Amino acid sequence: NAGVTQTPKFQVLKTGQSMTLQCAQDMNHNSMYWYRQDPGMGLRLIYYSASEGTTDKGEVPNGYNVSRLNKREFSLRLESAAPSQTSVYFCASKRTNSQGSRNTIYFGEGSWLTVV
Amino acid sequence: QQQVKQSPQSLIVQKGGISIINCAYENTAFDYFPWYQQFPGKGPALLIAIRPDVSEKKEGRFTISFNKSAKQFSLHIMDSQPGDSATYFCAAFSGGYQKVTFGTGTKLQVIP
Repeated sequence: NAGVTQTPKFQVLKTGQSMTLQCAQDMNHNSMYWYRQDPGMGLRLIYYSASEGTTDKGEVPNGYNVSRLNKREFSLRLESAAPSQTSVYFCASKRTNSQGSRNTIYFGEGSWLTVV
Repeated sequence: QQQVKQSPQSLIVQKGGISIINCAYENTAFDYFPWYQQFPGKGPALLIAIRPDVSEKKEGRFTISFNKSAKQFSLHIMDSQPGDSATYFCAAFSGGYQKVTFGTGTKLQVIP
């Protein structure tokens, strides 16, 4: 079981360039998330998708767009990259409206993005 | 807007000692409180979690203590080991377990 798979692992972009981070999960989860992690800021939610066909803004959505392509895949797009978007990005997934231990959020291994 | 406040930011503990990380929240709608462990270069992974109707939960050397009236919860790592060196995040769920808010993280270093 691969769990949550993100690509690419590392990327360097020039200011103004665009790119898409890809994410796929093989656990049949309905909910998927994109977080960014910055020193001293913890994990901040960019966008999430409660189910296929729906997306909602999180805490820091500006400068990003997402697409829930199907149940497995949730991509994050930077249309015009800025140095402030230099960060580590994590995709995650979870069962929807589940209780107890099934509330576990499963994270990918991260994508390190540098914007110069 | 930081709804879950975590402290300390970093922590150094000697091998065999007790590591304690604290979190406080304001939103009374939070109803599930997990802790995540993250090793360098990896994504966070669930360590242990607690519901607000329980005051303590223990799994091996890891214990969550929960104080509902004070809106605080903490992670205790007993007999800390160098392999426990990682960043720890507290979190809180609300909205039918859909929305998750994370603390800012605590970098723990356990020295031999």
